[in-house]
Amino acid sequence: RKEVEQDPGPFNVPEGATVAFNCTYSNSASQSFFWYRQDCRKEPKLLMSVYSSGNEDGRFTAQLNRASQYISLLIRDSKLSDSATYLCVVHMDSNYQLIWGAGTKLIIKP
Amino acid sequence: DTAVSQTPKYLVTQMGNDKSIKCEQNLGHDTMYWYKQDSKKFLKIMFSYNNKELIINETVPNRFSPKSPDKAHLNLHINSLELGDSAVYFCASSQDLGGRTEAFFGQGTRLTVV
Repeated sequence: RKEVEQDPGPFNVPEGATVAFNCTYSNSASQSFFWYRQDCRKEPKLLMSVYSSGNEDGRFTAQLNRASQYISLLIRDSKLSDSATYLCVVHMDSNYQLIWGAGTKLIIKP
Repeated sequence: DTAVSQTPKYLVTQMGNDKSIKCEQNLGHDTMYWYKQDSKKFLKIMFSYNNKELIINETVPNRFSPKSPDKAHLNLHINSLELGDSAVYFCASSQDLGGRTEAFFGQGTRLTVV
């Protein structure tokens, strides 16, 4: 089982719709969680950190479920500019490493 | 004003050659990384340096040798390039070693070995 798994997609979603995708992680000792966004042929950039209590940033909401070992990202009122690959990242203090998922590709259609 | 810059952006070279990729960050961060992103889009850490010291050295062929002359620079030298080395190589930096803070990435170097 991969350490961090994501549905690769692509998710084809009409503009204005709400879309959600999950990421599962295998190591229960994981301590920090992030969503990064990567546009085509560009570098990854931090979208948001994921806190235990869940957090929201505008149209984006991130949730953490430690019991089931997954994190989720919800995008409301999707825009064409949201088209990108969304990378789930998990971190453990014990080994200083960030473990990256392969990403979920999102395509917003007009 | 680019925070993490790496050069070159594109690199096409023949098998067996030796090449270097340079990386510099002007964020004052203590930790720098090299990642490889293959055709399946997995980002895999190769090396991590903290204050010029090697912290993480994943299972990477010893043809890959990082060099950190100071904490703002982390260069990657690759000897005897192979076809399988073709990928996008990203340099990144973060404030702390633990990875709890945001990682800032360079624009990537697209290496093609022919």
